[in-house]
Amino acid sequence: DVQMTQSPSSLSASVGDRVTITCRASQSISSYLNWYQQKPGKAPKLLIYGASSLQSGVPSRFTGSGSRTDFTLTISSLQPEDFATYYCQQSSSSPRTFGQGTKVAIK
Amino acid sequence: QVTLKESGPVLVKPTETLTLTCTVSGFSLSDDRMGVTWIRQPPGKALEWLAHILSNDEKSYSTSLKSRLTISKDTSKSQVVLTMTNMDPVDTATYFCARIGDLFWGALDIWGQGTMVTVSS
Repeated sequence: DVQMTQSPSSLSASVGDRVTITCRASQSISSYLNWYQQKPGKAPKLLIYGASSLQSGVPSRFTGSGSRTDFTLTISSLQPEDFATYYCQQSSSSPRTFGQGTKVAIK
Repeated sequence: QVTLKESGPVLVKPTETLTLTCTVSGFSLSDDRMGVTWIRQPPGKALEWLAHILSNDEKSYSTSLKSRLTISKDTSKSQVVLTMTNMDPVDTATYFCARIGDLFWGALDIWGQGTMVTVSS
């Protein structure tokens, strides 16, 4: 199985901050990396697919980059509605594993 | 409008078999390039991928749970069913189904609201 490791596990940031979350795969997954946002009590929401493609309707302050084993999700200017937990997921091979999540909290 | 909705028991006893149904609308389970995935999330913990079934009926399972899981679909009813045998309290979680909107990238573009399942005697 491909193991997905996110860092950090949690972070505190202020509105307007630039935030970067990292996801590392245990083996090359090319660009088959997706990012999701989850708010408490809600289902996850797809933000980025194919490592860098923005899902329809997602604000452009979210960007994804990377390939093979190392990926990042960047929020250029953190907004109040962005405080949530973020998960990466690889879809290169089955089983299609998730990272352990990164919680973005208010500083 | 594409929607998915999970249904099943709220409470199951240890050793029992859990059967969950995902009813979809707005797309067909036979549509090329699509599939449905089951994911779970124990309270306060991370998402865990469980299984998926694709439009060509290809199935895949979590390595650690493979012996306990079965996924199937009924295209005429627009339903995907997941069964998990020998339930244990550690299986207490919210169970989500989600659509794979494009088999090429494999991202889960539409999710159900989730259904909470508690395992307790």
